[in-house]
Amino acid sequence: DIQMTQSPSSLSASVGDRVTITCRASQIISSFLNWYQQRPGKAPKLLISVASSLQSGVPSRFSGSGSGTDFTLTISGLQPEDFATYFCQQSYTTPYTFGQGTKLEIK
Amino acid sequence: EVQLVESGGGLVQPGGSLRLACVASGFTFRGFEMNWVRQAPGKGLEWVSSITSDGSLIYYADSVKGRFTLSRDNAKNSLFLQMNSLRAEDTAVYYCARKNYASGTLYNWFDPWGQGTLVTVSS
Repeated sequence: DIQMTQSPSSLSASVGDRVTITCRASQIISSFLNWYQQRPGKAPKLLISVASSLQSGVPSRFSGSGSGTDFTLTISGLQPEDFATYFCQQSYTTPYTFGQGTKLEIK
Repeated sequence: EVQLVESGGGLVQPGGSLRLACVASGFTFRGFEMNWVRQAPGKGLEWVSSITSDGSLIYYADSVKGRFTLSRDNAKNSLFLQMNSLRAEDTAVYYCARKNYASGTLYNWFDPWGQGTLVTVSS
C-alpha cells in the first residue's frame, strides 16, 4: 500500500497568515494527489485535484503544488472559515490512501 | 443539484450485519464509479470499497475483504454496502463518494461526498 505522510499534524495560525501543509507519498504517484477540507461534523470537501487544479468555487487563496512523491497545500491569507482539518489522498492505485490529516487551529 | 444521501447506519452488536445505502441525484449515476470511505470517531479517512460504473469490477480494503459486499442498482440510482461479521473497529461514519476523472486521463478524485451515516458496533 502507498503510505501518505502529512505534516504537520496540527498547526496554529492567525487570520491573514500564510500556511503550508506537506504530504509525502511512499512511492512515486505522479500527480495523483488530491486535497480535501473537512470541517467538524461535516463531510470532506474537495479543494484541489491532480496536485494543483483548484476546484470550481474554491477561493484562489488555496493552491497546490508538487509531483512525484512530495506535495504541498498552501493557504495564503487565512480566513476564519479556513480553520478545519485538511487531508491529502493518493488516487494512483487502490487501496486509495489518505494522509493522517492536518488540523488547522486559530492562534 | 448533485447529491448523495446515505442511510442505514445504526447500533449493531459485534458479529452482526448492516446494509448501508447511498442514493444519488442530480447526475447520471450509471456513468460513474462509486466509493465508500469511512472515518472512525476522531480519526482520519479510510477508503473502504470501490465499484465501476457497470458493477463489473469491485475493490475492497484488506480490512473489510470477505466481510463487506459492495453493489449498485443503476436503475434506482443506488449504491449498497452489505456489512457482515461486524467488529468494534468498523465503528465509523461511512461516506459514499463519486469518483471523477480528468477528461482523457486516469487522474481521478472523490467529489461530491454524502453527509455520512454512523455505524456503531458495540455490545
